[in-house]
Parts: sequence; C-alpha cells; structure tokens
Amino acid sequence: EDQVTQSPEALRLQEGESSSLNCSYTVSGLRGLFWYRQDPGKGPEFLFTLYSAGEEKEKERLKATLTKKESFLHITAPKPEDSATYLCAVLRGATNKLIFGTGTLLAVQP
Amino acid sequence: DADVTQTPRNRITKTGKRIMLECSQTKGHDRMYWYRQDPGLGLRLIYYSFDVKDINKGEISDGYSVSRQAQAKFSLSLESAIPNQTALYFCATSDIRDVDTQYFGPGTRLTVL
Repeated sequence: EDQVTQSPEALRLQEGESSSLNCSYTVSGLRGLFWYRQDPGKGPEFLFTLYSAGEEKEKERLKATLTKKESFLHITAPKPEDSATYLCAVLRGATNKLIFGTGTLLAVQP
Repeated sequence: DADVTQTPRNRITKTGKRIMLECSQTKGHDRMYWYRQDPGLGLRLIYYSFDVKDINKGEISDGYSVSRQAQAKFSLSLESAIPNQTALYFCATSDIRDVDTQYFGPGTRLTVL
C-alpha cells in the first residue's frame, strides 16, 4: 500500500537554527514527490517537485532533496515567517492522484 | 491563491441537509480536484475531473457527488450531510502542460451538526 510518513509531527526552532524535515515514502513507481506549505486557514501552497533520486531544489531558505526512500526539506537560518505546516505528497505511476503525508508543523520563534 | 476561489468559506449545516460547495478558477487549467483534510489524516482525494466530460472517483467518494459545469467550475455536493463529513474541503487545479503540479484554493470549513 502506498504510504507517506512525515517526521517530526511538530518542530520548534529558534530563529536562525537550521534543521530538516523528513518525508519517507513507499510507493509503486514514484512519478514525483511534492512539497507544499500550508498556513493556518489557507490552502496548500506549492513549493517543489522532485522527480528522481539525487535531485535537489532550492527556494530562499528552503532546500528539498530526494533519495529512493525519502525526501528532506532543509531549512537554513529560518525566520518566524517560515512558521507553517509543511506537507509532502507523492504521485504514483500513471495516476494523477497525490498521496499526502500528515505534515510537519514548524514554529520558528524570534 | 486568488486564482482559485471557493464558496462558501465557512458553512455550518445539520445532518441530512443537502449542501453544495463551489470552486471557480481563472487559471485556465483543464484539471480540477476536490480534497478533504482531517486532522491526523492528511489530504484525501474525493473526486477529480480532467475536462468537462470527464469525472473520476478518488479514494473517498462515497457520500459525495460532483458536477463540472464548465472548464472553470467544479462543484462538490453532499446529498445528505452527516457529522463525519465535518472537515476542511479544498479544490485544486492543474494544467495539462504541467499535470503533476496542483494549485489549491483557500478551502471551505464545513461543520455538520
């Protein structure tokens, strides 16, 4: 069964304290792995798509990496405005169905 | 994303009532999706549509129906609402030229009493 597991469930950082969020997956024929950011009361906002092991994508303080079993979202020198829930999702084979993890709630304190 | 709008944003209804959630998009995307989000369960796909004549069930379609009135409009109906349909509902769209990337609306918070 296709599954996406995110850890930790919640993470509290001090401003400037770098860390990583994990997304591990089991899926038949990974077509793509996606990272989204979700602010309270809003819809998920697309961040990155990764298609193959070894691929990396960067945007401001965020960097996403992909291996054959997991993806990491690295946050470098975070700021309070980076506080949000970060969602990971996978797309399997020829389907158009995203399978989401339950997210990591990140809080960055000033 | 202002390009994808959902109405209403909040709705409280009673068990047994029929309710419709509406989604409109100005992105010009062909594909539209309905998800629900529950604490601890993540986002789950209810229905999706690749064009006006194409409707497909997702993983949790029981108790729901949809209508694709136009390329830009995709409605979700609960024929007889029940309390365990209380959730956040999101509409999403994707473009045939980049089918993998989905863009989400702001969501509708639905409470069924």
